[in-house]
Amino acid sequence: EPEVTQTPSHQVTQMGQEVILRCVPISNHLYFYWYRQILGQKVEFLVSFYNNEISEKSEIFDDQFSVERPDGSNFTLKIRSTKLEDSAMYFCASSPRGESTYEQYFGPGTRLTVT
Amino acid sequence: GQNIDQPTEMTATEGAIVQINCTYQTSGFNGLFWYQQHAGEAPTFLSYNVLDGLEEKGRFSSFLSRSKGYSYLLLKELQMKDSASYLCAVENSNYQLIWGAGTKLIIKP
Repeated sequence: EPEVTQTPSHQVTQMGQEVILRCVPISNHLYFYWYRQILGQKVEFLVSFYNNEISEKSEIFDDQFSVERPDGSNFTLKIRSTKLEDSAMYFCASSPRGESTYEQYFGPGTRLTVT
Repeated sequence: GQNIDQPTEMTATEGAIVQINCTYQTSGFNGLFWYQQHAGEAPTFLSYNVLDGLEEKGRFSSFLSRSKGYSYLLLKELQMKDSASYLCAVENSNYQLIWGAGTKLIIKP
């Protein structure tokens, strides 16, 4: 069964450094998402991406964040200058968003630790 | 503001039935999702409701009342592996998923 994959599973970085989190969505899906979940807290929407551009973004997704689909398979989230409060689990999701299903399929997540 | 409310924690007995409630106030409504999340893992899809009524899927059922801003997830014949957090999420009119904080379900033998 196809699945969303994410790398790395765990990233440790120093405050102020740039990180790139990588995702490979399911191949025939057209909509891609990034979410974050701070330990013990709720899942938070960051951004959605369709047709090679951002379709929606939340207040959290400020100028420090960017997303890219550099080729036909990868979908990346870049944080330019990490802060301590960026420490969280980051989930990528993809969806076919057809008429019969709006299910979002989640990757296993990348745990980002900023020290 | 946008808000999703669900109980923080519930306890039930193996083999029993449990109902997890969710109320929501969002800027528009495109649909309501229930996801299961085991500790340290990604959410996995359980159900999707866009119209009022009950959707049944094996041991799990989900109900929606759009006029009341209310949904519930019903789990029957509880198994120990059902111990997890259950997340209610609403897709608003901007196609953003707004998430509840989750209900931690503890199953006792």
